[in-house]
Amino acid sequence: EVQLVESGGGLVQPGGSLRLSCAASGFTFRNYWMSWVRQAPGKGLQWLGNLKDDGSKAYYLNSVRGRFTISRDNVKNSLFLQLSSLTVEDTAVYYCAREIIGGQTDLDYWGQGTLVTVSS
Amino acid sequence: EVVLTQSPGTLSLSPGERASFSCRASQSVGTYLSWYQQKFGQTPRLLIYGASNRATGIPARFSGSGSGTDFTLTISSLEPEDFAVYYCQNRGMFGPGTKVDIK
Repeated sequence: EVQLVESGGGLVQPGGSLRLSCAASGFTFRNYWMSWVRQAPGKGLQWLGNLKDDGSKAYYLNSVRGRFTISRDNVKNSLFLQLSSLTVEDTAVYYCAREIIGGQTDLDYWGQGTLVTVSS
Repeated sequence: EVVLTQSPGTLSLSPGERASFSCRASQSVGTYLSWYQQKFGQTPRLLIYGASNRATGIPARFSGSGSGTDFTLTISSLEPEDFAVYYCQNRGMFGPGTKVDIK
């Protein structure tokens, strides 16, 4: 069974940083591109970026490029999202998701999400 | 950057009715268009990818069509569990969603 489990969310002050993790199991993680998506309270979905299966190339939403960094460890079957220079507008549930076809951002499995709250 | 517009914003229907809603892209996206369902408090679920391909385990009452700039998701006969928000997506960009609620 495919499982994605996010962790690392919490309360952080404006200007702060946070590193989110996503533990993958039930599939051959190194064969799949992975994405991060977030959802602010009561709002829609916002794709943040994705990372190629071998970790060699990442693509980002323009508005987060330079502040957010996606990485992975294909030995430990883990995906990461480093968040920096956080603002209150970054408050959201952050999901990791698997791409059914690499690079096309069709997301067939999602984690349950981890909540990031940016507040002073 | 492609912008996706969904209409209507809200659709009020009864179980058993046919639901049909639209996603329009600001420029041609070919058939690179997917649809997701999100029930309240739950994780999004992929329904359709490549404009018309049902994802694994998705019932046949869900179908997608279209290409270029105009796409449609159709639910042939609404089941109680289908009342949710539906999002279209192209290469990472999500539309604002259509909420289907019970009439």
